[in-house]
Amino acid sequence: EAQVTQNPRYLITVTGKKLTVTCSQNMNHEYMSWYRQDPGLGLRQIYYSMNVEVTDKGDVPEGYKVSRKEKRNFPLILESPSPNQTSLYFCASSSRGALYTGELFFGEGSRLTVL
Amino acid sequence: AQSVTQLGSHVSVSEGALVLLRCNYSSSVPPYLFWYVQYPNQGLQLLLKYTSAATLVKGINGFEAEFKKSETSFHLTKPSAHMSDAAEYFCAVSPAAGNKLTFGGGTRVLVKP
Repeated sequence: EAQVTQNPRYLITVTGKKLTVTCSQNMNHEYMSWYRQDPGLGLRQIYYSMNVEVTDKGDVPEGYKVSRKEKRNFPLILESPSPNQTSLYFCASSSRGALYTGELFFGEGSRLTVL
Repeated sequence: AQSVTQLGSHVSVSEGALVLLRCNYSSSVPPYLFWYVQYPNQGLQLLLKYTSAATLVKGINGFEAEFKKSETSFHLTKPSAHMSDAAEYFCAVSPAAGNKLTFGGGTRVLVKP
């Protein structure tokens, strides 16, 4: 089954404790992206990757890191989480062809709470 | 720069009534436009898309949307709401051949029996 898998789905942590949210897709997609969803703000892009070893900042990259060492994986790293990073996070992927028409496949989301 | 505005963060409709969700966009280039739906505790899934072909676009589950360039709008409609339509709906815009999808703030639909 074609899917984007995120882990963990739910996480409560404390300020300053490094954490990683993993994202894996099994569709051989070149493009992957991270979004955060906050009430009334819709989804905002954090980082995206056009292919292995190619990453770029989105609209709200501060406080986040990413890496793309393998095509299928695109982890999101919070080196020193703060309460304003409490949010619902989504990973998404797309093929190059579908990307040009903006079609994304989304994971089920990871709800992060930073105390 | 492109942006999307969805009018109304919450919409309540009766089962069987018309569903109308409003979306207006601004874009410096002819855009591609999308509606995504998010069911509770799930990720977003594509409902329909406009990519400069027919201006009236039909999607899944009986939804359709009409692109009106003169009004810079892409409103989503469904003639008769069903309980299963309760979800959050997001309008999004992407520049043609772009790598960025910009989302509106979302509209949560409640369907009353």
